[in-house]
Amino acid sequence: QAVVTQEPSLTVSPGGTVTLTCGSSTGDVTSGLYPYWFQQKPGQAPRTLIYHTSNKHSWTPARFSGSLLGGKAALTLSGAQPEDEAEYYCLFSYSGTVVFGGGTKLTVL
Amino acid sequence: QVQLVQSGAEVMKPGASVKLSCKASAYTFTSYHIHWVRQAPGQGLEWMGRIDPNNGGADYAQRFQGRVTMTRDTSINTAYLELSNLRSDDTAVYYCVRGSGFYWGQGTLVTVSS
Repeated sequence: QAVVTQEPSLTVSPGGTVTLTCGSSTGDVTSGLYPYWFQQKPGQAPRTLIYHTSNKHSWTPARFSGSLLGGKAALTLSGAQPEDEAEYYCLFSYSGTVVFGGGTKLTVL
Repeated sequence: QVQLVQSGAEVMKPGASVKLSCKASAYTFTSYHIHWVRQAPGQGLEWMGRIDPNNGGADYAQRFQGRVTMTRDTSINTAYLELSNLRSDDTAVYYCVRGSGFYWGQGTLVTVSS
């Protein structure tokens, strides 16, 4: 089974910019893996921020954006807010299966 | 707006089976897969499988093969997850999620304890 890899933890200053990445053990990430990004705060269900690489839901703050970068999927947060401190997960869809990354703990400090 | 409402918390004995439900509304139920995802305490998200409500076909994650069954009832727009031979490490919050956009249910806590 494919392995999806994320940074275990990252720190960003308030107002700063940070990029989270998501790699696949199968090789370069393409849009054909339909990358997703989710945000989860303690005690809450996950919330989908980005689907299919770069598409946003109506509730996705404008400061979040998704892309492909250097063979990986990327989630960029521009202008971090204290409320963005959370766990972030990515997901890829492979043929017949779906795999989550292990998550990135983002600290806004 | 798309809504998925899941059944209530369950406390189960080891070796038992549990069946969870997920009622969908505000979209055409048969048009999108329903995924099941679980999260053990303090752990990450784990994909268990998905069902196509249109034909009932399902794909299961390898580690759950033989223990999991996903079904649906299109007359009431409801998907089900049944997990058998429960163990203590099946204690987790179980989420149903609508595919294509990933709309999440509120989750169901399943506790497996003797």
